[in-house]
Amino acid sequence: EAGVAQSPRYKIIEKRQSVAFWCNPISGHATLYWYQQILGQGPKLLIQFQNNGVVDDSQLPKDRFSAERLKGVDSTLKIQPAKLEDSAVYLCASSSPGAGKIQYFGAGTRLSVL
Amino acid sequence: TQLLEQSPQFLSIQEGENLTVYCNSSSVFSSLQWYRQEPGEGPVLLVTVVTGGEVKKLKRLTFQFGDARKDSSLHITAAQPGDTGLYLCAGHGGGTSYGKLTFGQGTILTVHP
Repeated sequence: EAGVAQSPRYKIIEKRQSVAFWCNPISGHATLYWYQQILGQGPKLLIQFQNNGVVDDSQLPKDRFSAERLKGVDSTLKIQPAKLEDSAVYLCASSSPGAGKIQYFGAGTRLSVL
Repeated sequence: TQLLEQSPQFLSIQEGENLTVYCNSSSVFSSLQWYRQEPGEGPVLLVTVVTGGEVKKLKRLTFQFGDARKDSSLHITAAQPGDTGLYLCAGHGGGTSYGKLTFGQGTILTVHP
């Protein structure tokens, strides 16, 4: 079974530029999560999708971050414009309702904002 | 807001030593998970504990969920260099926050040969 795929693995941009991350969840997983993990901290949930609907985006900085999950499969997370403090690893995870609340994580995208 | 505090934040030990990592909260969680994350990878689930007082063993790792379901511990016996990594606890809130995980800040473990 293929895992959660994320791309790119690394991205370096300058502040005020835009960036987008892509996530392909495990096939059949209805729930998709985006997390931000700042160096030395645990992951922080940014947004949770159930199929193509948003369940929780309470911690998403909506003035600069946006996410979509068209067709309830792949998802993209965008930052526009980026700030220095956005430097972090962005993790995507997916889960299935019958899987005992197990979330499967991708390897993440490491973003450096200069 | 549910918060999880892990301690210690850093742990550097010699191969063969034992260690315990703690995860504490003032909130009750419906279940609690422990993850291990290696550099450049996403967290990988080690165990889920659900019942207060529950103890689970995974080879040299022992996980315990507090009776009140507010705290947990991870004990490693005879640590090996392969145990090196970031250990994260994460709690499920249940109710309207079903599925939402709250992570602790993690414990970076380094086991020296």
